Amino acid sequence: DTGVSQDPRHKITKRGQNVTFRCDPISEHNRLYWYRQTLGQGPEFLTYFQNEAQLEKSRLLSDRFSAERPKGSFSTLEIQRTEQGDSAMYLCASNDRGLDTQYFGPGTRLTVL
Amino acid sequence: GESVGLHLPTLSVQEGDNSIINCAYSNSASDYFIWYKQESGKGPQFIIDIRSNMDKRQGQRVTVLLNKTVKHLSLQIAATQPGDSAVYFCAENSGYSTLTFGKGTMLLVSP
Repeated sequence: DTGVSQDPRHKITKRGQNVTFRCDPISEHNRLYWYRQTLGQGPEFLTYFQNEAQLEKSRLLSDRFSAERPKGSFSTLEIQRTEQGDSAMYLCASNDRGLDTQYFGPGTRLTVL
Repeated sequence: GESVGLHLPTLSVQEGDNSIINCAYSNSASDYFIWYKQESGKGPQFIIDIRSNMDKRQGQRVTVLLNKTVKHLSLQIAATQPGDSAVYFCAENSGYSTLTFGKGTMLLVSP
């Protein structure tokens, strides 16, 4: 399978705990995006990378959120001191520079108790 | 701020009918539009896209129409099948790298 993959698919945590999600983009894609999606809503942009450089961050990305893509391949999204409002589906997408279509992974469903 | 929106939250059709899902956008600078299909528990799946220099594009059983005069986008699905049941999102790209999504329309196909 050469699509975007995400791990874990589901995560249940207690409020105040830290969580980390991983995204592996399509191998030849140098752009990687993180989105958040709450029930009944469309995905909302969080941040994106071109290779290892984080080029844009949404105001939705509070200080408790951090994303990395250290080698320009996979990326991690960490949420510190989780809150119940962080419960959502976290989606990763990728594309190649010069191509607009973004291809999404299956998402990580986060539930904060 | 400017946003993408949908007229109908839910569309119910019979198997074999044609479906039309509509989307209104307000950012006149948007030059690229995508329709995604999202099934329950899955990520959005690319269906079809269109650039602002076109007004129609066809795929397999799907057609996207773009009316820049009234800033309206539609997705037509021919001979709708139960497997088409999902939430459909339109998204726009206004020249930056990120996509702005609408709220989605749920398509329900009855056998």
